[in-house]
Amino acid sequence: EIVMTQSPATLSVSPGERATLSCRASQSIRSNLAWYQQKPGQAPRLLIYGASTRATGIPARFSGSGSGTEFTLTISSLQSEDFALYYCQQYNNWPPWTFGQGTKVEIK
Amino acid sequence: EVQLVESGGGLVQPGGSLRLSCAASGFTFSSYAMTWVRQAPGKGLEWVSAISGSGGSTYYADSVKGRFTISRDSSKNTLYLQMNSLRAEDTAVYHCAKNIVVVPAAAVDYWGQGTLVTVSS
Repeated sequence: EIVMTQSPATLSVSPGERATLSCRASQSIRSNLAWYQQKPGQAPRLLIYGASTRATGIPARFSGSGSGTEFTLTISSLQSEDFALYYCQQYNNWPPWTFGQGTKVEIK
Repeated sequence: EVQLVESGGGLVQPGGSLRLSCAASGFTFSSYAMTWVRQAPGKGLEWVSAISGSGGSTYYADSVKGRFTISRDSSKNTLYLQMNSLRAEDTAVYHCAKNIVVVPAAAVDYWGQGTLVTVSS
């Protein structure tokens, strides 16, 4: 089973600043990685798939990069609605599909 | 508009059974794989099971294999999860989700709000 490790667990950022979230896979997953955003009481929302492709309707301030074992989600200028939990997920070696433990982006 | 609406959750005793349903609309149901993901209270996301668009291939997490069965009915545009021999550690909100392609080896692009399953005596 591939283990996904996200860092940091919590990221404190001021509105308008850049946020950089990391996700590491325990072995190569090529580019088979997705990022999701989850707000309290809501279902997750797909942000990025294929490591770098934005999902439909996702603002351009969200970008994904990486391949192999190291991945990054960047939010270029944080808006108030971006403060949330973010999960990465691999779908290369399956089953099982595995998620990271999440990074909470909070207001500094 | 894609909509996924789960139902069937509730309180059940350890060892009991529940069947979750997920009514899908707004897309061609049989053209996409479907997935169940659960989230225990205050915890992260855990993949549970997936099924191909045709229903011919199914996949399970080790934690539920042999106890849960995923299925789909394209005539009703509905996804199911039959859960037997339930344990306290199965307590979670169960979300159904639509994969972005017909095979499960992909991200999921739409999620339902979830249905809460509580396993307790």
